[in-house]
Amino acid sequence: QQQVKQSPQSLIVQKGGISIINCAYENTAFDYFPWYQQFPGKGPALLIAIRPDVSEKKEGRFTISFNKSAKQFSLHIMDSQPGDSATYFCAARKGNSGYSTLTFGKGTMLLVSP
Amino acid sequence: NAGVTQTPKFQVLKTGQSMTLQCAQDMNHNSMYWYRQDPGMGLRLIYYSASEGTTDKGEVPNGYNVSRLNKREFSLRLESAAPSQTSVYFCASSEWGSNQPQHFGDGTRLSIL
Repeated sequence: QQQVKQSPQSLIVQKGGISIINCAYENTAFDYFPWYQQFPGKGPALLIAIRPDVSEKKEGRFTISFNKSAKQFSLHIMDSQPGDSATYFCAARKGNSGYSTLTFGKGTMLLVSP
Repeated sequence: NAGVTQTPKFQVLKTGQSMTLQCAQDMNHNSMYWYRQDPGMGLRLIYYSASEGTTDKGEVPNGYNVSRLNKREFSLRLESAAPSQTSVYFCASSEWGSNQPQHFGDGTRLSIL
């Protein structure tokens, strides 16, 4: 059972355009939603994260939009650049008081063409 | 400051061989994790250790064992490797406390023939 569904699998955007990646979850016990960015040959790195009591969070060109009632959240990359070409993973946390385990989506390969 | 270091970076095994993947972190984190990454499957949690002295199964633990050697080190062992275990393995660590980010190593690429 896939608990976090991510789409699209791949995405090609022109330089300067907006990249949009969507995720949906089923488990209402999830309480923290990070996005990770992964470059080839490297491990994932935290990009931006949001809690469900906030509808939007922006950090530079990266914005998370969160719709709690629909159980959906999305990553928007404004003014996309070739350096943004990477694989992006959404994730959801269902944790206890001290530590967290993350459930990841299957990933989106983003290619930003020059 | 190296962060999370995984060794080896690459390994080829024959079916039935055993292997231990090593992971060490220098950030004084309490929690450590092992994931596998397969094409189109995302990252799946194999085992985790919430704190030194404890380990728990994740989503796909079959065929693996782990050891939390000390606070810094968390190893993953394949006792009898199978071709289905061909994957990229990532170790991660995080600070104690909710919403602390997980910091990943650069992975071990394992092929089993």
